[in-house]
Amino acid sequence: QKEVEQDPGPLSVPEGAIVSLNCTYSNSAFQYFMWYRQYSRKGPELLMYTYSSGNKEDGRFTAQVDKSSKYISLFIRDSQPSDSATYLCATHTGGFKTIFGAGTRLFVKA
Amino acid sequence: ETGVTQSPTHLIKTRGQQVTLRCSSQSGHNTVSWYQQALGQGPQFIFQYYREEENGRGNFPPRFSGLQFPNYSSELNVNALELDDSALYLCASVSGSGTGELFFGEGSRLTVL
Repeated sequence: QKEVEQDPGPLSVPEGAIVSLNCTYSNSAFQYFMWYRQYSRKGPELLMYTYSSGNKEDGRFTAQVDKSSKYISLFIRDSQPSDSATYLCATHTGGFKTIFGAGTRLFVKA
Repeated sequence: ETGVTQSPTHLIKTRGQQVTLRCSSQSGHNTVSWYQQALGQGPQFIFQYYREEENGRGNFPPRFSGLQFPNYSSELNVNALELDDSALYLCASVSGSGTGELFFGEGSRLTVL
């Protein structure tokens, strides 16, 4: 079993739709949860960061962590074609190793 | 712009050869991590260097080795290349803020024939 499971998609939505991206994880010791966005032929960039459980909002993006069910979510409101990218969930215990999901490819159609 | 630059951007090698990939880290970040990203997969942790010492390693064989220099630039060396080593190799400087945020370069795409 992988430590972080993520549906690779692809996920295709029309412009303006609400997008829901999800991951599950297996290790209850994980405390830090991140979403990275990776455009084609680029390195990943941090999009959202959450410590422990709860919600965090930044503009059109909302990250949720439910530690009781080991479930991580990213919501994108009013999606735009420029949001088309691969979204990687990630987590770590506070140590040196960040564990990534496989990434979900998102396409937002104009 | 993350301030992390990697070279070369693309390279092709044959099985059994050796390769060196280079990374220049973001100013002020003394910790660098290397990740391997196979096609369609998330990045996999290879190892991390802090002040020129390896302080963490993932599940990669010893033929994957690294160096970090006093100016915090670093290298990833892979010996005896195998076909499965074909991947995007990402260097990341690690935030010193305690969050573990990674600032990635654009990667070096290695193809092993």
